[in-house]
Amino acid sequence: GAGVSQSPRYKVAKRGQDVALRCDPISGHVSLFWYQQALGQGPEFLTYFQNEAQLDKSGLPSDRFFAERPEGSVSTLKIQRTQQEDSAVYLCASSSYRGAGEKLFFGSGTQLSVL
Amino acid sequence: SQQGEEDPQALSIQEGENATMNCSYKTSINNLQWYRQNSGRGLVHLILIRSNEREKHSGRLRVTLDTSKKSSSLLITASRAADTASYFCATDGGAQKLVFGQGTRLTINP
Repeated sequence: GAGVSQSPRYKVAKRGQDVALRCDPISGHVSLFWYQQALGQGPEFLTYFQNEAQLDKSGLPSDRFFAERPEGSVSTLKIQRTQQEDSAVYLCASSSYRGAGEKLFFGSGTQLSVL
Repeated sequence: SQQGEEDPQALSIQEGENATMNCSYKTSINNLQWYRQNSGRGLVHLILIRSNEREKHSGRLRVTLDTSKKSSSLLITASRAADTASYFCATDGGAQKLVFGQGTRLTINP
């Protein structure tokens, strides 16, 4: 595709609900990253995929967060039993390199609000 | 936790002036990158400087890197209203992921 696409753009969830956020990376990009960005802060690393393999999930804040990329292209970030502290923008990025390489391409993000 | 710190946290200047932002980081790196983020949008890659480089230019952007001080600076010359955005430095820290700083919010006043 032309760029990294994320959906939905905005998501409002009641506390305790499960949510699923989708990322379509640039076609052919090997690496895919998820970041969490709180208001006024920089992006914080959540997890990294190389093709379908999840090589690093050290940034996932709790076992309520789960990510997958089963066919090495589209990825889904799932948050179970959402809490207010999960409210943030979730950014997806992809790279043609193994790892971040020399440039990440970001989507516009999903803004999650947990009420 | 975030790797680096940007300074200042916020900067407001007049159109046409130069804007300088600084970034400090903690671990050794292979390269350092700068990104821009417009309000409500994703990040856009601006420029990369490798650990063996000291200075790099791209259009109105000038980046310096001092690995002995673990610091970098981004200079935007002849600023324009469209440069209003948040600017982030990011380092690889030898790992496969990028770690971002807190960012500098730049406002260009017409």
